Amino acid sequence: NAGVTQTPKFQVLKTGQSMTLQCAQDMNHNSMYWYRQDPGMGLRLIYYSASEGTTDKGEVPNGYNVSRLNKREFSLRLESAAPSQTSVYFCASSVWGRDTQYFGPGTRLTVL
Amino acid sequence: RKEVEQDPGPFNVPEGATVAFNCTYSNSASQSFFWYRQDCRKEPKLLMSVYSSGNEDGRFTAQLNRASQYISLLIRDSKLSDSATYLCVVNSGGGNKLTFGTGTQLKVEL
Repeated sequence: NAGVTQTPKFQVLKTGQSMTLQCAQDMNHNSMYWYRQDPGMGLRLIYYSASEGTTDKGEVPNGYNVSRLNKREFSLRLESAAPSQTSVYFCASSVWGRDTQYFGPGTRLTVL
Repeated sequence: RKEVEQDPGPFNVPEGATVAFNCTYSNSASQSFFWYRQDCRKEPKLLMSVYSSGNEDGRFTAQLNRASQYISLLIRDSKLSDSATYLCVVNSGGGNKLTFGTGTQLKVEL
């Protein structure tokens, strides 16, 4: 039981490049989330998916898109990376209606 | 005003000490409260939920004061392994959406 997995662990992009961050969970959770964490800012919600087939914006969605591929997988796409998107990205999952969220190990992204 | 506010620390305490962290939240309609622990360069993990009546888990005690809108975490008999950042987390009633504080850093020293 791997829990929540994320790939890649590290990534360096140049401004304007695109990439997709992958997230998968094997806990049969119906809800999944993408956060970013910056120094002094705490974790901020980018997008979430309450259940398969639905996605909604969080606090900081600009510059990102998401896809809930199936119940297990939720990806985050940066279409044209900017230095302001340099951050640590965490994926999380939960049972909808339950507050406890389980986090993946994170992706450290640097945009030059 | 931030929705969830914490003193960033660091709190440097000797092993065996008792240390307490406070957190304030701005939304009086907030429903659920938690403490998460985050080790350096790792993901956050749930430490404990916080209930109105207060709750204890071993050396850790969490309290909620709804009237004053603050949450506390008390750690007794601190261990070196308690060194981490402690995140105050609040569900302000938006489904499963959680709001995270910026965290309080604890360093337990010999």
